[in-house]
Amino acid sequence: DTGVSQDPRHKITKRGQNVTFRCDPISEHNRLYWYRQTLGQGPEFLTYFQNEAQLEKSRLLSDRFSAERPKGSFSTLEIQRTEQGDSAMYLCASSPREAGPRGYGYTFGSGTRLTVV
Amino acid sequence: RKEVEQDPGPFNVPEGATVAFNCTYSNSASQSFFWYRQDCRKEPKLLMSVYSSGNEDGRFTAQLNRASQYISLLIRDSKLSDSATYLCVVNLSGGYNKLIFGAGTRLAVHP
Repeated sequence: DTGVSQDPRHKITKRGQNVTFRCDPISEHNRLYWYRQTLGQGPEFLTYFQNEAQLEKSRLLSDRFSAERPKGSFSTLEIQRTEQGDSAMYLCASSPREAGPRGYGYTFGSGTRLTVV
Repeated sequence: RKEVEQDPGPFNVPEGATVAFNCTYSNSASQSFFWYRQDCRKEPKLLMSVYSSGNEDGRFTAQLNRASQYISLLIRDSKLSDSATYLCVVNLSGGYNKLIFGAGTRLAVHP
């Protein structure tokens, strides 16, 4: 297990379609986060899981967005009825329970780039 | 007002130059501070944590002023490989490590 894996790397979809992204965190990390990054901006927090519990959702996460982490391992992020404004990089990150000496041990995946046409 | 604000950039500097990035944060309850580096179309990666006493890592020096809610990053002897976007990041409170990112400052180092 070398890092956080995200799938797919790229997704092009037509407006109105549903899409689902997957994130596999580092296996010993119990904390998992989703962020969204649009061009020219920094990543914006979407939601956080500790094990299987979703403990915070940003107001950016509209009703069309849902995230799950059913067994406390991998997570999925689904966007229903996609809109052009959903086009962005969706980043997943994981971290261990205990903060390490360098930045909480936060590790980002390579992201899923979504383009809604 | 954005929670974390940075110089907009881009900064275009020659190799060997010294460049400084500034960042301010709005929430005085912020507890932890970082600089991340992001290469084009890649994920952000931790460059360094920022401590109140200031800290250095090779050519990189970070400073934090809690009273002014101000963070800085100084890069000495710039290399072509330093070209990237530098993101100022804060953690608002202890607990589960939710990170708040600035929009980033782009650095381009040219020969």
